[in-house]
Amino acid sequence: ETGVTQSPTHLIKTRGQQVTLRCSSQSGHNTVSWYQQALGQGPQFIFQYYREEENGRGNFPPRFSGLQFPNYSSELNVNALELDDSALYLCASSPEGGRYIQYFGAGTRLSVL
Amino acid sequence: ELKVEQNPLFLSMQEGKNYTIYCNYSTTSDRLYWYRQDPGKSLESLFVLLSNGAVKQEGRLMASLDTKARLSTLHITAAVHDLSATYFCAVNFGNEKLTFGTGTRLTIIP
Repeated sequence: ETGVTQSPTHLIKTRGQQVTLRCSSQSGHNTVSWYQQALGQGPQFIFQYYREEENGRGNFPPRFSGLQFPNYSSELNVNALELDDSALYLCASSPEGGRYIQYFGAGTRLSVL
Repeated sequence: ELKVEQNPLFLSMQEGKNYTIYCNYSTTSDRLYWYRQDPGKSLESLFVLLSNGAVKQEGRLMASLDTKARLSTLHITAAVHDLSATYFCAVNFGNEKLTFGTGTRLTIIP
């Protein structure tokens, strides 16, 4: 049990729609990162938030956006969904002075039809 | 751009045998991670390697890091069926932002 909760577990959307995925971390976890894992591939870094500010972004278009809230929860928003957005989305959180430990949630599996 | 390569991509082993998974990365990093992923599940942290020559062991798994060669290995000793999973290495490129390898799908055959 990592203490990182993601919702929903599964989601089906159609092309062009918008989606919001949620992640709830443990108290004191000020850093949250989001990853996209396509089927059969390794996770790819989308972006990271630290104390509610974006703290680095991977090679993803602006239609991927995020928010982090003071209560240690965060969101990943994807606009104008494309078929290739179908993937497992993982969030990972780290505490302050966390000695390089990241805790991954169970993920949200998004299917775009 | 940091690139992380693992080999082999697929590995089928008999129970009781030993084998090694290799992870090469292209630019300097201060730490390397190994994760396990079961089908349809999230990532389970196995090891964090922080320095050149670091070696960590847990049960039948042992990981090592050679920062000069930009190489990490995950050695499996006397494999058992429960070790069947996909294993990823991941390299830190700053403040826990990770670049993952392609993964090695390990199948242990009785």
